Amino acid sequence: GAGVSQTPSNKVTEKGKYVELRCDPISGHTALYWYRQSLGQGPEFLIYFQGTGAADDSGLPNDRFFAVRPEGSVSTLKIQRTERGDSAVYLCASSLSLAGGPGDTQYFGPGTRLTVL
Amino acid sequence: AQKITQTQPGMFVQEKEAVTLDCTYDTSDPSYGLFWYKQPSSGEMIFLIYQGSYDQQNATEGRYSLNFQKARKSANLVISASQLGDSAMYFCAMREGGSNYKLTFGKGTLLTVNP
Repeated sequence: GAGVSQTPSNKVTEKGKYVELRCDPISGHTALYWYRQSLGQGPEFLIYFQGTGAADDSGLPNDRFFAVRPEGSVSTLKIQRTERGDSAVYLCASSLSLAGGPGDTQYFGPGTRLTVL
Repeated sequence: AQKITQTQPGMFVQEKEAVTLDCTYDTSDPSYGLFWYKQPSSGEMIFLIYQGSYDQQNATEGRYSLNFQKARKSANLVISASQLGDSAMYFCAMREGGSNYKLTFGKGTLLTVNP
């Protein structure tokens, strides 16, 4: 079956612009996660959704970052007034459940590489 | 203190040999899960293996096994019979129990398999 997909694969934008990054999770997965990976680092948690609601957004760095999942499937990460420090790979993951155990293994998409000039 | 520590920035192994990638973790939660992911140069994070804190036996998945030593808080990944395609970054990650399902990752280990 299809894995997690993310679009675009690459995004180059200018400082101050607005960007949207899209994630399409594995069909049937109820939980969806966003992470950010800077060069040479492991991914860092941003936000996760259980269904349509953001269950934990404690990793969002500031109020320029916002994410939605209006129908409980596709999610969009929105970044306003982009800064050069926002440049990173943004990874999306989904899991079948949040029940604990191997069922909540997170499967990742290929990521969106964001470059802010 | 870091929750996940991977002390080996880089490792080299000869093709067909076994290699161990180290991971130690820090948590006070009795319920947690440990994961290993592989990230090739293409960038995608590929799930390899999972170990639950209450699992009595070490996890195995094909050529991957997890050497889980709970008292030492270590969860080392063992790759047997290394292949050239195993060259990649490897990340150890932890999910702490309760209502917290986010993964916390280590800094990773770059594995290079030599022919």
